[in-house]
Amino acid sequence: DADVTQTPRNRITKTGKRIMLECSQTKGHDRMYWYRQDPGLGLRLIYYSFDVKDINKGEISDGYSVSRQAQAKFSLSLESAIPNQTALYFCATSENGDFSSYNEQFFGPGTRLTVL
Amino acid sequence: AQTVTQSQPEMSVQEAETVTLSCTYDTSENNYYLFWYKQPPSRQMILVIRQEAYKQQNATENRFSVNFQKAAKSFSLKISDSQLGDTAMYFCAFMHPNTDKLIFGTGTRLQVFP
Repeated sequence: DADVTQTPRNRITKTGKRIMLECSQTKGHDRMYWYRQDPGLGLRLIYYSFDVKDINKGEISDGYSVSRQAQAKFSLSLESAIPNQTALYFCATSENGDFSSYNEQFFGPGTRLTVL
Repeated sequence: AQTVTQSQPEMSVQEAETVTLSCTYDTSENNYYLFWYKQPPSRQMILVIRQEAYKQQNATENRFSVNFQKAAKSFSLKISDSQLGDTAMYFCAFMHPNTDKLIFGTGTRLQVFP
């Protein structure tokens, strides 16, 4: 079974709809991240959470919100979807290690979202 | 702010040949990490190799190696004996250890031809 799972894998929605992307992990990691991938732009950080009570904005948080329901679950919401939010969305996790050392990020399989 | 630049949107190589993908970055930090990720058509993000900035020795993982030039802020990936399965998008990424946040380049699409 995959350590980091994302649901749904693919989603088509309409402008103005509220949509939630879910991420679950069985790695026991405290840190979780949401990234967005657009063609020609690479991956950009939307939100990140270092533990259940810690939520931080990333580079491109406008139009998005998140919820850390438990250590293992981190959800990304689009309150009112718009076409330029069409993208591939990745969740990632990492250990709650010492900041002076490297903590590898493990990525989920991605969710392809299309907003019509 | 840190930035990562990949100036080659697309590259191609024949099977069994060697190819080098370029990456430059900008930072004022002295301690950081650099990575190459592979994204095949399955779209899964796969860590290929990483380099700690405090290490002078270039990292190597089987057919994958890097040329890390700290002063020039350059971090290229060399793939030797290219295989059809190496066909993918490759992303260069930077991480400052105090943030744990990855900053990605725009990617290089590599096609390996038989």
